[in-house]
Amino acid sequence: AQSVTQPDIHITVSEGASLELRCNYSYGATPYLFWYVQSPGQGLQLLLKYFSGDTLVQGIKGFEAEFKRSQSSFNLRKPSVHWSDAAEYFCAVGATYKDTGRRALTFGSGTRLQVQP
Amino acid sequence: DAGITQSPRHKVTETGTPVTLRCHQTENHRYMYWYRQDPGHGLRLIHYSYGVKDTDKGEVSDGYSVSRSKTEDFLLTLESATSSQTSVYFCAIRSGDRGRSEAFFGQGTRLTVV
Repeated sequence: AQSVTQPDIHITVSEGASLELRCNYSYGATPYLFWYVQSPGQGLQLLLKYFSGDTLVQGIKGFEAEFKRSQSSFNLRKPSVHWSDAAEYFCAVGATYKDTGRRALTFGSGTRLQVQP
Repeated sequence: DAGITQSPRHKVTETGTPVTLRCHQTENHRYMYWYRQDPGHGLRLIHYSYGVKDTDKGEVSDGYSVSRSKTEDFLLTLESATSSQTSVYFCAIRSGDRGRSEAFFGQGTRLTVV
């Protein structure tokens, strides 16, 4: 069965500092991977996605993520964090229904990012 | 933004009463989902639908039922609300169930059971 682990429940960084949020997945084949962001009181917005090809993918708001098959990871990065980046971030994995019998994305438990001035 | 509307946005109800949450989409997407979000658990799938009148259970379906009589509407019903069902509920839609199909989310419904 597919699963997603986000080891960090809460991260605090200073504004202007770099950011890396960790995501590890478990899935037998090449996964489809997503990062979503949730601002307080809002729904989830897609930041970026990985399907195949270049393992470094660019997303919105200056975010990028790198797929590393050997480490089963898909970590999210941003070179310089802005106060408006404070939110909760979710990693998700998708799989082909015929392989898993699952028609839905599987989400990690989320990482809450706090940005200090 | 994807055309997804959840109603109501907030609701307080008493233990033992039935509650229905509505998700309406204007994207004509085939797949619709109900998730609940609780601290420390992320998003957990309650039920989903892969077409009109075609629904299936997710990982936390006990105490919930769903219906989809039209492509655009997906209803989630709590048969007899309990305090453990206090949560934020999100509806999501996808154009397909292939792994690469991204999900689009509604704004959520905050439900409090007292």
